[in-house]
Amino acid sequence: QSVLTQPPSVSATPGQKVTISCSGSSSNIGRNYVFWYQQLPGTAPKRLIYDNDKRSSGIPDRFSASKSGTSATLGITGLQTGDEADYYCGTWDNSLSAGVFGGGTKLTVL
Amino acid sequence: EVQVVESGGGLVQPGGSLRLSCAASGFSISRHWMSWVRQAPGKGLEWVANVKQDGSDKYYVDSVKGRFTISRDNAKNSLYLQVASLRDEDTAMYYCARENDGFDIWGQGTMVSVSS
Repeated sequence: QSVLTQPPSVSATPGQKVTISCSGSSSNIGRNYVFWYQQLPGTAPKRLIYDNDKRSSGIPDRFSASKSGTSATLGITGLQTGDEADYYCGTWDNSLSAGVFGGGTKLTVL
Repeated sequence: EVQVVESGGGLVQPGGSLRLSCAASGFSISRHWMSWVRQAPGKGLEWVANVKQDGSDKYYVDSVKGRFTISRDNAKNSLYLQVASLRDEDTAMYYCARENDGFDIWGQGTMVSVSS
């Protein structure tokens, strides 16, 4: 059971938009920056978003993110087949004094 | 090129130990907190431990406290994870990651398999 809660899977067709939610608590998302990572099949994770809503270098503006209270959301527009991957939210938990991730969301582009 | 490269993984029996290494290049680890993150086969990411720039502060996930030890050698630009009293559930790919507004640099990982 992950500290941060994400839907296990989402799907959409090419060109559409999808959102991935990440729910936490006052000890993690509520007090700290949220980061989003993309893990393509068979590869190491890559940071997409830092400090809640800032895109990492080289990440297209099709990717966006926001945070409100104890939840965060990743949005992807103009879906491409190359976006098929696992997406993880992450942050620090002040109560646990530990890094925490969501369980991951598998994006399928049909 | 800014990168980190892990090594030291392998097949080990339950109760055994290993020392994982992470060699950084293209940047100085002395400027950054550094972390280990693991991923069991077919599972999600799990943060394992991190260490402050000068090694004075270290944090661990509860499941590895007392068994794993993170350390660093800034002169060698390297990060380490001593893993001991290994259990089946420690089987995972272990990633080294630079902390810089989240984990901005990841290695390709080193696999640790615990099995008799």
